[in-house]
Amino acid sequence: KNQVEQSPQSLIILEGKNCTLQCNYTVSPFSNLRWYKQDTGRGPVSLTIMTFSENTKSNGRYTATLDADTKQSSLHITASQLSDSASYICVVSDNNAGNMLTFGGGTRLMVKP
Amino acid sequence: DAGVIQSPRHEVTEMGQEVTLRCKPISGHDYLFWYRQTMMRGLELLIYFNNNVPIDDSGMPEDRFSAKMPNASFSTLKIQPSEPRDSAVYFCASSINRGKGQPQHFGDGTRLSIL
Repeated sequence: KNQVEQSPQSLIILEGKNCTLQCNYTVSPFSNLRWYKQDTGRGPVSLTIMTFSENTKSNGRYTATLDADTKQSSLHITASQLSDSASYICVVSDNNAGNMLTFGGGTRLMVKP
Repeated sequence: DAGVIQSPRHEVTEMGQEVTLRCKPISGHDYLFWYRQTMMRGLELLIYFNNNVPIDDSGMPEDRFSAKMPNASFSTLKIQPSEPRDSAVYFCASSINRGKGQPQHFGDGTRLSIL
């Protein structure tokens, strides 16, 4: 059964600090991994997508990494801002399912001033 | 370009009542998805359509749930009769299937409370 596990479940950091969110998956065959940001009361919005051959991808202060061998991904947030407070969801797609996705439970990040 | 539009944003109703959630996907998107999100279970896929045709409804919890897509610009998710355990946020998403790299675009959801 395809599974995506995220850690930590929740995280509190001070504004300006960096943080790293983790995602482990058992999805096969792997197609791509996407990180979504979900603000409170809003739908998820895609931050980055990573395919099998990509190790690192950046989107502003967000940097995602992928290790396809260990089936792990991380999302690093640099110089956090209050607007980074949100849930971050790791989503993995397999080649068999096309647009079908396996969702992680998310990490709830709170950035405090 | 307008995103995925869902209505209503909030719905509070008594158990046993019929509930209808509505979704307008992004123009040109040929896939439409309905999800349910709860604290306990996270995001769960209920059903998805391709070119207005239901492809996989295995996530629909029971016969009380039904979904339709009469045309490319409109879909509904209906619960009849509703129960308190149906309380959740329901999301609609749409995407273009031009390979594996296309993201799903989510609406802002309908927060449903069944009393």
